[in-house]
Amino acid sequence: KAGVTQTPRYLIKTRGQQVTLSCSPISGHRSVSWYQQTPGQGLQFLFEYFSETQRNKGNFPGRFSGRQFSNSRSEMNVSTLELGDSALYLCASSFWQGAMDEKLFFGSGTQLSVL
Amino acid sequence: KQEVTQIPAALSVPEGENLVLNCSFTDSAIYNLQWFRQDPGKGLTSLLLIQSSQREQTSGRLNASLDKSSGRSTLYIAASQPGDSATYLCAVRGNNAGNMLTFGGGTRLMVKP
Repeated sequence: KAGVTQTPRYLIKTRGQQVTLSCSPISGHRSVSWYQQTPGQGLQFLFEYFSETQRNKGNFPGRFSGRQFSNSRSEMNVSTLELGDSALYLCASSFWQGAMDEKLFFGSGTQLSVL
Repeated sequence: KQEVTQIPAALSVPEGENLVLNCSFTDSAIYNLQWFRQDPGKGLTSLLLIQSSQREQTSGRLNASLDKSSGRSTLYIAASQPGDSATYLCAVRGNNAGNMLTFGGGTRLMVKP
């Protein structure tokens, strides 16, 4: 069974540009969430999608947005890139049946560098 | 607002030692707590998940405990090996929080041969 797949693996952009990252969850998983990881702030929750609807949102500016498609694949977009957006962006998926023992499965991430 | 703290931030031990990693959280209204492992530049691998009603979980050489009332969890690694070298992160899921996890800053572990 394939794991969570994130593309691309690496991205280099310049300030002011926009970027789109993609995440394909494990087959059958309906919940996709996104996290940003930086050396200074650690891992921070961006947003979560379930059945094409945003269910939760973290404390990030409106430049960060996302969406989920009917096949549960998700994309996140960052507009008007800033140097501080350089980070490892991680996607995680789960069935989300509300069980207390339900684990999140993470992809390998997209490393974004903003120059 | 939930805050999660991990101590120590870094740890270096000789191979074969037993060790304990600590995690504390400020809001005891949690749904579950997960311990993850992260290798450099990679994603997270789930090691153990403890439901809020449980006290501990075990997997091989790993044992995680949870004391919800005091806001603490520990990850015990027995007979450490160089392959255990990685960053270990704990994360809590709050009640009614969907899949929004709050992570600690991690403990960077180095096991020397």
